[in-house]
Amino acid sequence: LAKTTQPISMDSYEGQEVNITCSHNNIATNDYITWYQQFPSQGPRFIIQGYKTKVTNEVASLFIPADRKSSTLSLPRVSLSDTAVYYCLVTGYNTNAGKSTFGDGTTLTVKP
Amino acid sequence: DAGITQSPRYKITETGRQVTLMCHQTWSHSYMFWYRQDLGHGLRLIYYSAAADITDKGEVPDGYVVSRSKTENFPLTLESATRSQTSVYFCASSDSVGDAKNIQYFGAGTRLSVL
Repeated sequence: LAKTTQPISMDSYEGQEVNITCSHNNIATNDYITWYQQFPSQGPRFIIQGYKTKVTNEVASLFIPADRKSSTLSLPRVSLSDTAVYYCLVTGYNTNAGKSTFGDGTTLTVKP
Repeated sequence: DAGITQSPRYKITETGRQVTLMCHQTWSHSYMFWYRQDLGHGLRLIYYSAAADITDKGEVPDGYVVSRSKTENFPLTLESATRSQTSVYFCASSDSVGDAKNIQYFGAGTRLSVL
């Protein structure tokens, strides 16, 4: 299954837009890109999922270029409560659905 | 209650003892997963299950045993606990029905200390 690479950490200030990019060069045709958020002492929780182009929900946008070798999670106007670890996961479909490699994620720190 | 629950939330044991961590989900998801998360690190997959009676190894399966006799339960057993297995253990479940392409839903975790 495709391995992902993310920056280890990022800093931002309240009200700014934050973009976190994930590389997944070996993504397969049937794979989806899924992002999770994790707060200390909690399990990760789903943020957004996409296959190609752009996906937007109430909390984030996900941009995926045509070659799908990378993806960018965009968090608009972050607040202190967005301080967390963000994981990019290439989610296998059908026969590969069970193999998941989370990696170490990106620690986002939002400052006042 | 609906969702995914793990028990116990905290466990202290001694080296060499057998420990079983429980995971129960009420969604009838076909996939279930066990991860471990060491302090300051990401999640590593221990085992996963695609359906009842179907399990497979993840990245770090050594020292662990799983079973899945029923769809809703996926217990993880440490046969002879070692200090290196001190970690936080997360269970998750997922399915591919409709638009949800194996989005994983996680339990609250079990914090295990092996002394």
